[in-house]
Formats: sequence, structure tokens, C-alpha cells
Amino acid sequence: ETGVTQSPTHLIKTRGQQVTLRCSSQSGHNTVSWYQQALGQGPQFIFQYYREEENGRGNFPPRFSGLQFPNYSSELNVNALELDDSALYLCASSITTGSYEQYFGPGTRLTVT
Amino acid sequence: GNSVTQMEGPVTLSEEAFLTINCTYTATGYPSLFWYVQYPGEGLQLLLKATKADDKGSNKGFEATYRKETTSFHLEKGSVQVSDSAVYFCALSTGGEDKIIFGKGTRLHILP
Repeated sequence: ETGVTQSPTHLIKTRGQQVTLRCSSQSGHNTVSWYQQALGQGPQFIFQYYREEENGRGNFPPRFSGLQFPNYSSELNVNALELDDSALYLCASSITTGSYEQYFGPGTRLTVT
Repeated sequence: GNSVTQMEGPVTLSEEAFLTINCTYTATGYPSLFWYVQYPGEGLQLLLKATKADDKGSNKGFEATYRKETTSFHLEKGSVQVSDSAVYFCALSTGGEDKIIFGKGTRLHILP
């Protein structure tokens, strides 16, 4: 059974640019959640996708957007990058929405300069 | 709103010492409670969970009991090892939301 994978591992972008992060969910999971973890902080919920639809959103501006594909993999897109967007971005998959067990990937470390 | 507060680190202990990391929560309804662990350079791993009052979650020698009367979920281990060095996150999730709410994390250093 393959776990949650994310790509790329690390990324450096310039302020104002756009970035796309990718996540493959665990086999059999149809729900993907994205979290932002700033240095020294706990992860903060960005949004969740269930069967290709957004299913809940945290306190993040619209320049954070996402997609989920028919194979349940997902993308996180961030437009107009700001310095404060520098963080570890974690993807988590779960067997369905409302499931309390979310399985996390290793994360993508984004640095905005 | 819902929130989790956990003791600030870093916590430094000698190998074989007893560990307690305090965690309290604020939530409407009846949350499920979790402890996640993050080893250096890795993502989060679910360490243990409890879904109702008085439940005890346990894994790898770690334990935590869901105390509704004190809104607490303290993590304990009787004898820590160097390999337990990591960041530990207390977290909750409620039935009405799909997101997990995390505390700020507690960094644990175990000295040989």
C-alpha cells in the first residue's frame, strides 16, 4: 500500500510568483486536506477536497486554491506569493470525508524570497 | 472557537526518564483527540487517538487519557528513548468539521 506522496520536496520562489504543489493520496482514500505549517507552529488547515469538490476551507485568502482529480490526487496553487507563505505544506488523505484519521505526506518546503 | 493548548518546549530529558506533555482543549460538542509526532525532516504521524471521554489511547509505550472534566489529553511515557526525540502535536477534530486543529507542538530532546 502506497502512502501519501508529495512533490516537490523543496521549492524556492520569488515574491509575486505562482506555485503549484502536488499530492497523491493513499490508495483507497477519496478525501485530501491541505495544511500550512509555519516554522515552529502547528499545521493550519487550508482546505479539503472530497470527490473533486472543495469541502471546507480555513482562514486563507482566495489566492490559495486547489483541485482534486478523478484519481483523487490533488494540487494546491498559491498565486501572488508573499514572504509569509514560506512554510511546510502538508497534504493529508482520509478514507472519506468526516473521517477522523488523516494520513499525512512528508510535505513540501516552500521558501519565498 | 475550538483550540488546543500544549506545553511549550523544548523539553529535555535523560533516557529512561518519565515523560509528560500537557495538553488542554476548548471545543464545542464532543471532539476526537489525537497526538501526532513529527520526526526531523518528516511529515506527521498519528501516534494515538481517543474518540470519547475516558478513552485511553496508547501506542509505542505512549498513553493519553481523554479527560472531559478537565478538558485534557496529556501524553505520557514511562521510559523514554533517544529515538523518541521529535516534535509532538496535540490535536482535535469535531464531528461537524473535517479539519484537524493542532496545538503549536512540543519539541522533545532525549539525551543518552
